[in-house]
Amino acid sequence: NAGVTQTPKFQVLKTGQSMTLQCAQDMNHEYMSWYRQDPGMGLRLIHYSVGAGITDQGEVPNGYNVSRSTTEDFPLRLLSAAPSQTSVYFCASSRSGTGDPHEQYFGPGTRLTVT
Amino acid sequence: ILNVEQSPQSLHVQEGDSTNFTCSFPSSNFYALHWYRWETAKSPEALFVMTLNGDEKKKGRISATLNTKEGYSYLYIKGSQPEDSATYLCAPLGGKLIFGQGTELSVKP
Repeated sequence: NAGVTQTPKFQVLKTGQSMTLQCAQDMNHEYMSWYRQDPGMGLRLIHYSVGAGITDQGEVPNGYNVSRSTTEDFPLRLLSAAPSQTSVYFCASSRSGTGDPHEQYFGPGTRLTVT
Repeated sequence: ILNVEQSPQSLHVQEGDSTNFTCSFPSSNFYALHWYRWETAKSPEALFVMTLNGDEKKKGRISATLNTKEGYSYLYIKGSQPEDSATYLCAPLGGKLIFGQGTELSVKP
């Protein structure tokens, strides 16, 4: 199993550009989520999904969209990049969703810089 | 949204010292408490997932306890080693997984 994969590993965008960060998992996990890592802020939840066709907002959803058309994929879209979105983005998945305490598996991260 | 607090924010210890950190969280709407270990330039990795009040879990020199009634969990490291240097994150699961800011541990040889 490849586990949780993320592409790209690095990306530089100009303010106003849009892009999609890809996340895929091959473990048949129902629960997937996106986090961003900022200095002194730990990991902050952007959006999450408890299964195909179901998404919900986390702590910092503004400026990001997600969709979950398949169990395997959970892309994160930046609609109009801003310097405040410069961060490292982690995708994670786990076996089940709400109320089920299974551990999360994290992808390797995408380092995004917005100039 | 759950308000998760971890203390201390950072900790510097000598090799061989034992240490512990705290994770505080609201005790309502609680399903589980996760602990993760996060080394620099790597991805977080799960240490423990605890669900029951009074739970104690152990992995090698690292152990954790859980008090769901008062809303806290302790992580203990016995005989710290330089390879234990990392950020330790806790995350209570109450519908969604929200992380604390972490405790950054540095162990000097």
